[in-house]
Amino acid sequence: EPEVTQTPSHQVTQMGQEVILRCVPISNHLYFYWYRQILGQKVEFLVSFYNNEISEKSEIFDDRFSVERPDGSNFTLKIRSTKLEDSAMYFCASRREFNRGGYTFGSGTRLTVV
Amino acid sequence: KNEVEQSPQNLTAQEGEFITINCSYSVGISALHWLQQHPGGGIVSLFMLSSGKKKHGRLIATINIQEKHSSLHITASHPRDSAVYICAGTSNTGKLIFGQGTTLQVKP
Repeated sequence: EPEVTQTPSHQVTQMGQEVILRCVPISNHLYFYWYRQILGQKVEFLVSFYNNEISEKSEIFDDRFSVERPDGSNFTLKIRSTKLEDSAMYFCASRREFNRGGYTFGSGTRLTVV
Repeated sequence: KNEVEQSPQNLTAQEGEFITINCSYSVGISALHWLQQHPGGGIVSLFMLSSGKKKHGRLIATINIQEKHSSLHITASHPRDSAVYICAGTSNTGKLIFGQGTTLQVKP
């Protein structure tokens, strides 16, 4: 069964550094998402991406965050000037059609900012 | 505001028991998803519902659109069913809005 692949599985970074979280969505999927889950809390929406542009972003997705799909396969989330409160599990998800069919999630990247 | 609420927050059952987890959602949610999250953190999609009922093995999911309520049932529960079960709604913009999750522990 097709999978969404996320790397790395765990990333530790110093506060203030930049991190890039990588995702390879399912090849025929068109809609891409990043979500995050702070330990012990519910999963929160960060950003959705379609046709090479951001469709929607949440209040969490401030100007330190950016996404891109540079080569038609990878879908990356970049966080600049990381803060302690960015520590969370970050999930990439994709789906084939808008509002039809389910989402496929990656296994997540656990980001720890120290 | 789009919201998804689920209950209970924690649930402990004996092996073999019938389990029900409930979810209520607000206006603006077009479809309802049940997801499973294991201790390692990964999320697996179990069901997507916009009407009626779906069944997969020992799992059954139902939705009542008029009441904006969905339930996930597990029949003949087993310790390997222990996980966090999450209800999430698809908003009109396509993003998922998550409930807080139900932590299920099934004891042998």
